[in-house]
Amino acid sequence: NAGVTQTPKFRILKIGQSMTLQCTQDMNHNYMYWYRQDPGMGLKLIYYSVGAGITDKGEVPNGYNVSRSTTEDFPLRLELAAPSQTSVYFCASSYSGTGEAFFGQGTRLTVV
Amino acid sequence: AQSVAQPEDQVNVAEGNPLTVKCTYSVSGNPYLFWYVQYPNRGLQFLLKYITGDNLVKGSYGFEAEFNKSQTSFHLKKPSALVSDSALYFCAVRAFYGGSQGNLIFGKGTKLSVKP
Repeated sequence: NAGVTQTPKFRILKIGQSMTLQCTQDMNHNYMYWYRQDPGMGLKLIYYSVGAGITDKGEVPNGYNVSRSTTEDFPLRLELAAPSQTSVYFCASSYSGTGEAFFGQGTRLTVV
Repeated sequence: AQSVAQPEDQVNVAEGNPLTVKCTYSVSGNPYLFWYVQYPNRGLQFLLKYITGDNLVKGSYGFEAEFNKSQTSFHLKKPSALVSDSALYFCAVRAFYGGSQGNLIFGKGTKLSVKP
């Protein structure tokens, strides 16, 4: 049972480049989330989705985009990478709003 | 607006002693509360949750948490700490009000260090 799988695990981007962080879950969860974790700042919600075809902004959405074409996949797109986007990114999913969230292993992104 | 506060950046405990990691919250509706643990270079792992019912919730690895509505707190506890409990602990809250629900919001985290 794979749970939540994120790729890649590490990535270095140059300023202005774009990339997509992949996230897939095999638990048939309706809810999916993208968080970024900065040292001493906890986790900040970037975007979330309550089902296929539905996405909404979290606390820090600027500079990011998402899509949810299937229940399983929730990719996060960075269009013009900036140093401020250097962070560890976590994808998570939950069956419902009351259910616990399951997290992927994270993607460590450095923008230089 | 929802918010979660973890007032201690770090908690130091001797092995075998009881531990408490504090969490307070602010929501406009009914809170759903969660605790997660993060080991170095890993994702977050679920420990326990409070949805409704008994104020004392028991979770994984011997951890428990007490929901206190009047103090808006949800402190994580363990009667006897282990060195292997050393990790980063996060409190999270989701509010439910009317027919809507808020986002899953996390605190800044508390680093627990258990010394032999």
